[in-house]
Amino acid sequence: KQEVTQIPAALSVPEGENLVLNCSFTDSAIYNLQWFRQDPGKGLTSLLLIQSSQREQTSGRLNASLDKSSGRSTLYIAASQPGDSATYLCAHTTGNNRLAFGKGNQVVVIP
Amino acid sequence: EPEVTQTPSHQVTQMGQEVILRCVPISNHLYFYWYRQILGQKVEFLVSFYNNEISEKSEIFDDQFSVERPDGSNFTLKIRSTKLEDSAMYFCASRPLGSATDTQYFGPGTRLTVL
Repeated sequence: KQEVTQIPAALSVPEGENLVLNCSFTDSAIYNLQWFRQDPGKGLTSLLLIQSSQREQTSGRLNASLDKSSGRSTLYIAASQPGDSATYLCAHTTGNNRLAFGKGNQVVVIP
Repeated sequence: EPEVTQTPSHQVTQMGQEVILRCVPISNHLYFYWYRQILGQKVEFLVSFYNNEISEKSEIFDDQFSVERPDGSNFTLKIRSTKLEDSAMYFCASRPLGSATDTQYFGPGTRLTVL
């Protein structure tokens, strides 16, 4: 069974601090790993996609790393802003083409 | 930018009733998915659909569920006889023809409440 775990489940940081969100997964044969953002009661917005052959991806203040051998991915958000408050979901795709999700990191950035 | 759309945004139904959730995937996409998220829990895969047939389904997707692509644009999820535990947010996703490494694009979801 594919397990995806995200730690911490929830965190609050003051505005301007860097955020570090962790994701671990048990299936080493992943095709890619994706980070999503979910606002309360809303859909999923894809933030970054890392292919299995890549080590990291960057988009603006966001950087995601992938270490397949240890089954870990980390999402870094630099200089956090109140608008970054949301739940961040980690998910991976394997050979069966389905996305397996973690439960999310719920982030609150305090102005 | 093209988006996946879903209707309705919120559906309230009585236990035992049939519901149909609708999705319009991005127009040049060929793979379609349904996921659900029970409040406070993980997003869970239900089913994938390609070339007018189910390519994979999870253990959640039992005989009460069915999917259809009735025309060239819509993709529907039907729940035949709803149960209280079917209350959840249902997300549709699509991706273009390519490899499984391509991203899936998600719709905004339909919140289903079963009373």
